[in-house]
Amino acid sequence: GESVGLHLPTLSVQEGDNSIINCAYSNSASDYFIWYKQESGKGPQFIIDIRSNMDKRQGQRVTVLLNKTVKHLSLQIAATQPGDSAVYFCAEKEETSYDKVIFGPGTSLSVIP
Amino acid sequence: NAGVTQTPKFRILKIGQSMTLQCTQDMNHNYMYWYRQDPGMGLKLIYYSVGAGITDKGEVPNGYNVSRSTTEDFPLRLELAAPSQTSVYFCASSYYKLFFGSGTQLSVL
Repeated sequence: GESVGLHLPTLSVQEGDNSIINCAYSNSASDYFIWYKQESGKGPQFIIDIRSNMDKRQGQRVTVLLNKTVKHLSLQIAATQPGDSAVYFCAEKEETSYDKVIFGPGTSLSVIP
Repeated sequence: NAGVTQTPKFRILKIGQSMTLQCTQDMNHNYMYWYRQDPGMGLKLIYYSVGAGITDKGEVPNGYNVSRSTTEDFPLRLELAAPSQTSVYFCASSYYKLFFGSGTQLSVL
């Protein structure tokens, strides 16, 4: 069946460096992708989203890239800060009428001061 | 706005007990969801609802039941708690983006 998965389960970066978190998806019919950040003991928080008719979208210090040819999604965090330490999930929205969102397994980002 | 509110935050159950996890949202969202998150894992969809009176199964519905009598409330029921249901449960609602509650940590012993 359809699935959303991540290449790297853990990632450690030096404070100030850029972080790149990758995600693979297998459902070519998905038309909407989202990145969530989950801090310890909290629910996931929306970071940024992108529709399938786009290949890049930028937010504040974050950029999402979508490569539909290879079904790959990435989240880039510029000038990573200690507050960015969290688990990051990519998610896809199935192209159905009921707006169901499927999450990948997550990547744990640790920022080294 | 409070957003999505879940109660309780923590609960310990004995095997075979039942309980209801409460979820309410004040954003007038039609779509609501229940996810479970096992340690070190991603979120698995249990049930979802596209509006009052309409619910459907997600990826892992066995052992759970839901109801949606109002737009605001979407309770999750465990009838016969099992150790495999030890997890953190998140309720969410959406118009397009998902908004999550702070979670209920449930242990079944």
